[in-house]
Order: sequence, then C-alpha cells, then structure tokens
Amino acid sequence: AIQMTQSPSSLSASVGDRVTITCRASQGIRNDLGWYQQKPGKAPKLLIYDAYTLQSGVPSRFSGSASGTDFTLTISSLQPEDFATYYCLQDYNYPYTFGQGTKLEIK
Amino acid sequence: EVHLVESGGALVQPGGSLRLSCAASGFTFSNYAMNWVRQAPGKGLELVSAIRGSGGSTYYADSVKGRFTISRDNSQNALYLQMNSLRAEDTAVYYCAKDLGSWSGGIDYWGQGTLVTVSS
Repeated sequence: AIQMTQSPSSLSASVGDRVTITCRASQGIRNDLGWYQQKPGKAPKLLIYDAYTLQSGVPSRFSGSASGTDFTLTISSLQPEDFATYYCLQDYNYPYTFGQGTKLEIK
Repeated sequence: EVHLVESGGALVQPGGSLRLSCAASGFTFSNYAMNWVRQAPGKGLELVSAIRGSGGSTYYADSVKGRFTISRDNSQNALYLQMNSLRAEDTAVYYCAKDLGSWSGGIDYWGQGTLVTVSS
C-alpha cells in the first residue's frame, strides 16, 4: 500500500497566520490527492481534490500544491473556524491511504 | 444536495455481528463507488471497504478481509456493511463516504458516522 507521511503532527498558530501542511507519498501518485478538514465529533470535509482543485464552497484562503511526491496544503490567513485536524488522502489506487493528521491549534 | 445517513451502530460483544446501513440521496447512486471509512477513538482515518457503482468490484482492508462484507442496493440507494466476528479493535466510528468517481476517484462526501463499540 502507498504510505502517506504527513507533517507536522501538530501545529500552533494565530489568527491571520499563514500555515502549510505537507504530505509525502511513498511512490508517485500523479495528483491523486485530497485534503480534508475534521472538527471534533464531525465527519471530515473535503477541501481540495486532485491536489490543486478547490471544492465548491471552500474559502479561497485554502490552496493546494504538488511537487513530485510532495503535496502541500496552505491556509493563507487563518480564521478562528480553521482550527481543526487536517488529513491528506491518496486516491491513486486502492487501498486509499490517509496521512496521520495534523492538529492545528490556537497559539 | 448529497446526503448520506448511516445507521446500525451499537454495542456488541466480541465475536458478534452487526450490519451497518447507509441511505444515500441527492445524486445518481449507481454511478459512484462507495466507501466505508472508520476512525477509532482519538485516532486517524482508515479505509475499511469499497464497492464499485455497479457492485462488480470490491476492496477490503486486510484487517477485515473474511469478516466484513460490503454490498449495495442501487434500486434503494443503499449501502451496507455486514460485520461478523467482531473484535475489540473494530471499535470505531464508521463513515459512509461517496466516491468522486466510479472507482478510485477519491472521496467527496461523508455521512455523519455511526459508532460501533465491541466490548464485553
């Protein structure tokens, strides 16, 4: 199975900060990667798919990028509602595999 | 609007069985693969099983192979997960999740989840 290594596992930041979260795939997955936001007690929510494409309704402060097997989620200016846990997911093939998650906390 | 509603989660003893259901609406159900993803308490996400829109192809995680069976009824817009020989390590919230495509397209929508607790 393809392994997704996500970093950092946790991150403290302030409202207005720019933050980046990274996932590295153990092999090439084209751009078959999504980013999800999960708040406590809730289901994950799709933010970005195909590495770059913003899901409908998601604020433009979220963006995704890719370089080889490295993928990045960037939040350009953190808002209070962005404090949550973020996961990447590779859907290049089955089994889909998730990153370990990044918990974004208020500094 | 896509809507996924899981049901069937419960407290069950080790070795027991449970059947999860997912009622889907807001999209052409038969055109999309469907997935079951679980999340153990305080842990990350794990794909458990998947099924093609036609039902012709399935995937199972090694941890559930031979114990769980995924199925779907496209006439009823319903997805199922039959869970047998349950173990303590199967304790988790189970999410029904719609695929972006007919197979291996990623996940775009999730249900609210149903809690399965395996304990004596």
